Amino acid sequence: NAGVTQTPKFRILKIGQSMTLQCTQDMNHNYMYWYRQDPGMGLKLIYYSVGAGITDKGEVPNGYNVSRSTTEDFPLRLELAAPSQTSVYFCASIRPGNTEAFFGQGTRLTVV
Amino acid sequence: AQTVTQSQPEMSVQEAETVTLSCTYDTSESDYYLFWYKQPPSRQMILVIRQEAYKQQNATENRFSVNFQKAAKSFSLKISDSQLGDAAMYFCAGPLFNKFYFGSGTKLNVKP
Repeated sequence: NAGVTQTPKFRILKIGQSMTLQCTQDMNHNYMYWYRQDPGMGLKLIYYSVGAGITDKGEVPNGYNVSRSTTEDFPLRLELAAPSQTSVYFCASIRPGNTEAFFGQGTRLTVV
Repeated sequence: AQTVTQSQPEMSVQEAETVTLSCTYDTSESDYYLFWYKQPPSRQMILVIRQEAYKQQNATENRFSVNFQKAAKSFSLKISDSQLGDAAMYFCAGPLFNKFYFGSGTKLNVKP
């Protein structure tokens, strides 16, 4: 059972470039989340989805977009990358009933 | 608005002794789960313990236990017989409606 898979693990972007962080889960979870974690800080919620076709903003959505066309996939799009988006990004899915969150391994993104 | 608060950025404990990490939260839901996650330097998110709000009994997992005070919206983690491998960042987390929030974290140092 693969759980939550994030790609890529590392990426360096130049200012103004765009990219998509991929997240896939094989547990048939409806709820999926994107977080960013800045050095020495906690996880801040960027966007979340409660099912295919349904997404909503979290605490820090500016500069990001998401889509949820299937239950399995929840990609995060960065448009016009900025140095402030340098962070580690985590994708998570949650078991029904909010009993446990499963995390991907994270993507370390540097914008230079 | 911060819905999960950890007021101790860093704590230290002697090996084999006991330490308590604090967390407060805010929610208008009546039934929910609360969690403590451990994040070692590898950045992997590891579930330490989970508490369901409607259960009066505090959760226990081996050396880890919680003190859950629902009326006070307090959820502290007690680590007994601390081991060197317990050194990590610890995050308190909880759902609020469809969102899943994390505290800012407590860095735990374990001294030999």
